[in-house]
Amino acid sequence: KAGVTQTPRYLIKTRGQQVTLSCSPISGHRSVSWYQQTPGQGLQFLFEYFSETQRNKGNFPGRFSGRQFSNSRSEMNVSTLELGDSALYLCASSRGPETGLDYGYTFGSGTRLTVV
Amino acid sequence: SQKIEQNSEALNIQEGKTATLTCNYTNYSPAYLQWYRQDPGRGPVFLLLIRENEKEKRKERLKVTFDTTLKQSLFHITASQPADSATYLCALDVNNDMRFGAGTRLTVKP
Repeated sequence: KAGVTQTPRYLIKTRGQQVTLSCSPISGHRSVSWYQQTPGQGLQFLFEYFSETQRNKGNFPGRFSGRQFSNSRSEMNVSTLELGDSALYLCASSRGPETGLDYGYTFGSGTRLTVV
Repeated sequence: SQKIEQNSEALNIQEGKTATLTCNYTNYSPAYLQWYRQDPGRGPVFLLLIRENEKEKRKERLKVTFDTTLKQSLFHITASQPADSATYLCALDVNNDMRFGAGTRLTVKP
């Protein structure tokens, strides 16, 4: 079966612009979590969506937002980009919130965002 | 404050030896602890899960221990191979979401 698909794989944006990243979970998975990965900070939790509702949010500014659609696909948006937003953005899916805890999460390959 | 620490940024070992990676946490009481492998340019891949009421889990050449008194998990790879070279991440559940350590980069030399 197809894995978690993230698009685009690479993106270059200018400071001040906004960006939208997409994540399609494994078929049947309804929970999607987003993470930011940088060399200095490691994997930082952004937010989690389940059944189109944000269940939990990490400690990121309001410029970072997300949503989930009825087909479980999720998007995250970053507005007013800063140089420090350059990172690998990863999404992970599971059947449901408790399923991920019990059986692990499946990650996509990520979107590499570079802000110049 | 809450912290998840993987005490070695990098670990180099010889092929055939056992690699032992450490994950320490403070100010958490996780019910679940997971280990992932990440290769360069790829997302993490789930390896093993251990619950708070379990002391040890095994899967093929992998073994994980979980000591809730010491607030520590050890991850062992026995008979290591160059193909095991990767970054290994531990993750704990916090408010039903997983939070990750910074990872340990393991290099297995032939």
